[in-house]
Amino acid sequence: AQSVTQPDIHITVSEGASLELRCNYSYGATPYLFWYVQSPGQGLQLLLKYFSGDTLVQGIKGFEAEFKRSQSSFNLRKPSVHWSDAAEYFCAAYTGNQFYFGTGTSLTVIP
Amino acid sequence: NAGVTQTPKFRVLKTGQSMTLLCAQDMNHEYMYWYRQDPGMGLRLIHYSVGEGTTAKGEVPDGYNVSRLKKQNFLLGLESAAPSQTSVYFCASSYRQAGNQPQHFGDGTRLSIL
Repeated sequence: AQSVTQPDIHITVSEGASLELRCNYSYGATPYLFWYVQSPGQGLQLLLKYFSGDTLVQGIKGFEAEFKRSQSSFNLRKPSVHWSDAAEYFCAAYTGNQFYFGTGTSLTVIP
Repeated sequence: NAGVTQTPKFRVLKTGQSMTLLCAQDMNHEYMYWYRQDPGMGLRLIHYSVGEGTTAKGEVPDGYNVSRLKKQNFLLGLESAAPSQTSVYFCASSYRQAGNQPQHFGDGTRLSIL
């Protein structure tokens, strides 16, 4: 069965530190991959997406993600985290039938 | 530029009561979706619609009904609310059901069933 796994439920980083959020997918072919961010009381906002081609994709707010086929991963990164990045982050995959969402990673940023 | 608008934003119901959640989008999108979000579960698809007058079941459809009488509106109904339906409900829309068409989300409806 298709699935998206985010192994880290909660991550805490210091402001200015680098960030990496993990995402793994389970699917026979390469799905379309997305990262969304959800601020408290808000809906999900698209950060970036991968369809094909260059495996390093750039998104909004200084985020990037790298697709690694060999590891079935699509990890989200940011070189220097800002306090405003504190939010819930969701990885999602589209497999030609429907969208599948991971369970989310909650990010806390320490001043 | 409203995007996807959900009403109401908050609601408390008693077990057995009924209610309808409204989702409206002004982007002329064909596809609309209803999800529920529960702690540790991510988003789970309840029902979706591929166009006006059509609906289909998602991953967790039991206890819910939907209607898409107008292209811009997608209604989610609870006929007899149960405590297990306490959740945050999100509506989303997209131009079509395709991987290169990301979904646009509303701000959610927080529903508590007592």
